[in-house]
Amino acid sequence: ETGVTQTPRHLVMGMTNKKSLKCEQHLGHNAMYWYKQSAKKPLELMFVYNFKEQTENNSVPSRFSPECPNSSHLFLHLHTLQPEDSALYLCASSQDYGDSSYGYTFGSGTRLTVV
Amino acid sequence: GQNIDQPTEMTATEGAIVQINCTYQTSGFNGLFWYQQHAGEAPTFLSYNVLDGLEEKGRFSSFLSRSKGYSYLLLKELQMKDSASYLCAVTDSNYQLIWGAGTKLIIKP
Repeated sequence: ETGVTQTPRHLVMGMTNKKSLKCEQHLGHNAMYWYKQSAKKPLELMFVYNFKEQTENNSVPSRFSPECPNSSHLFLHLHTLQPEDSALYLCASSQDYGDSSYGYTFGSGTRLTVV
Repeated sequence: GQNIDQPTEMTATEGAIVQINCTYQTSGFNGLFWYQQHAGEAPTFLSYNVLDGLEEKGRFSSFLSRSKGYSYLLLKELQMKDSASYLCAVTDSNYQLIWGAGTKLIIKP
């Protein structure tokens, strides 16, 4: 149990579908993150929420839409995706944004395949 | 630009020692992390270095030289379960985490 739970673990969707990824943490952390992990590439930061407020949006296409209703839950809404969006999507949390010393706690990720 | 370099893949033998290197060029430095990631699983925290020197934690040790922009992760008495990817990440002056692409470590009997 990593402390950060992501659902679903696997998702296959067509380019015209709409789906959502869910992340939940009960670690009392104030910052939550969405990362994209593609094979043999560094983790790409997509979005950051600190105390439920979005603080980072690293030029992510609008077909990805984040939502943070409270400090324990984070969603990533997907629509009109492209095959190149197929990747592992990881959620992470940390005590505070920019809190380095204790690192991030990651979920196991959602393996997304766009067909 | 900011960059983290680490070997793509390494192979080692069970019971042996392996050193995984990481070099970085970042705008500022506020610490370096090593994470372990088994296939299909979450990355898990291994170590954090902010000062020069060696940090030992059981079979794993991590070394940092800030002047050289260099770190290594040393794994001793390798076990089959150590087969995983090892990710190096650096916190820059804006407290952004800059990630390497990871080193896939293959352990052979």
